[in-house]
Amino acid sequence: EPEVTQTPSHQVTQMGQEVILRCVPISNHLYFYWYRQILGQKVEFLVSFYNNEISEKSEIFDDQFSVERPDGSNFTLKIRSTKLEDSAMYFCASSAGGRGEAFFGQGTRLTVV
Amino acid sequence: KQEVTQIPAALSVPEGENLVLNCSFTDSAIYNLQWFRQDPGKGLTSLLLIQSSQREQTSGRLNASLDKSSGRSTLYIAASQPGDSATYLCAVATGNQFYFGTGTSLTVIP
Repeated sequence: EPEVTQTPSHQVTQMGQEVILRCVPISNHLYFYWYRQILGQKVEFLVSFYNNEISEKSEIFDDQFSVERPDGSNFTLKIRSTKLEDSAMYFCASSAGGRGEAFFGQGTRLTVV
Repeated sequence: KQEVTQIPAALSVPEGENLVLNCSFTDSAIYNLQWFRQDPGKGLTSLLLIQSSQREQTSGRLNASLDKSSGRSTLYIAASQPGDSATYLCAVATGNQFYFGTGTSLTVIP
């Protein structure tokens, strides 16, 4: 069964460093998303991406965040200068249509020290 | 802004019991509603998707209903098993994003 794949599963980084989280969405999907979940809190929306551009972003997704689809398969989230409060589980998701079923990856646990 | 609430926050039942998880949302202008399962430290597994025009969906022992006008959904789990123990999340789609509830943590006791 097709699945969304995220790497790495766990990343530890020092405050102020740049990190790139990687995702391979399901191959025929056209809509891509990043969400995050701080420990013990709700899953929160960060950004949606369609047709090679951001279609919606939340207040969390400020200038330190960026997304990119560098080739036909990968979808990345970059955090330019990490802060302690960026520590969270980051989930990538994809869907075939804008109102279709969303499939989530297993997540990348980011720990900023 | 869409607010999603799930009750109860935690539920513990003996194996074999039927149970209902509740989800409510404040803005009825949704495209769809999706139920997910999350195991500790893991990702989100899609269980059921209900489009806004639908009233319910079934998959195996799971049945989800949607009453969009009243802003409510329920997830019914029949004949619960210990393997059903997990956190169940409700998410509603508005615009280009999902709004998630805080989840119901379910423990099924053998």
